[in-house]
Amino acid sequence: DAKTTQPPSMDCAEGRAANLPCNHSTISGNEYVYWYRQIHSQGPQYIIHGLKNNETNEMASLIITEDRKSSTLILPHATLRDTAVYYCIVSRGGNQFYFGTGTSLTVIP
Amino acid sequence: DVKVTQSSRYLVKRTGEKVFLECVQDMDHENMFWYRQDPGLGLRLIYFSYDVKMKEKGDIPEGYSVSREKKERFSLILESASTNQTSMYLCASSIKIVLYSPLHFGNGTRLTVT
Repeated sequence: DAKTTQPPSMDCAEGRAANLPCNHSTISGNEYVYWYRQIHSQGPQYIIHGLKNNETNEMASLIITEDRKSSTLILPHATLRDTAVYYCIVSRGGNQFYFGTGTSLTVIP
Repeated sequence: DVKVTQSSRYLVKRTGEKVFLECVQDMDHENMFWYRQDPGLGLRLIYFSYDVKMKEKGDIPEGYSVSREKKERFSLILESASTNQTSMYLCASSIKIVLYSPLHFGNGTRLTVT
């Protein structure tokens, strides 16, 4: 069962920051927040994950609210290649990954 | 980078055929998984394995079996393919000893059963 809520679609102008929200109000203390994206006809690609602190890597930043009930994935300078479906997942790892329908992000030239 | 390779990108089989989908990972991961992805249903876990010769049922194991004879290889078997098994099949792997290790996916096999 997906335990997250994401908007079904979003647009972002090329070169601007894309901020993708996710609500996970029932997250438990031992669950991490993971983000994946899936470009058409490819497998999901891991982006980033975190527990309660903000995280940053070469692809994106993850901002988790203090109460951990929501998070935001930030793509700092969106390009056309960032057009994809983005999945937010809360999980304890192992086999406990449940992918919902995600947010379809379209980067507009 | 982790590489998870699925042997076929596209496959067309007939109803009743026995179908083998192969997956190989090159990062010595203990955990391997098979999912299927269908429009509007997201990804659903079919089977997973935490070690060689070990297998566990996921959420939708009916009509499928798996084989894990070597650590790097995890095979999904459709004993008698049916049209409702037409889908995108995704293999993934992760590290067992790292808690909260993320999944790393292959590029999928799009299977059509006619």
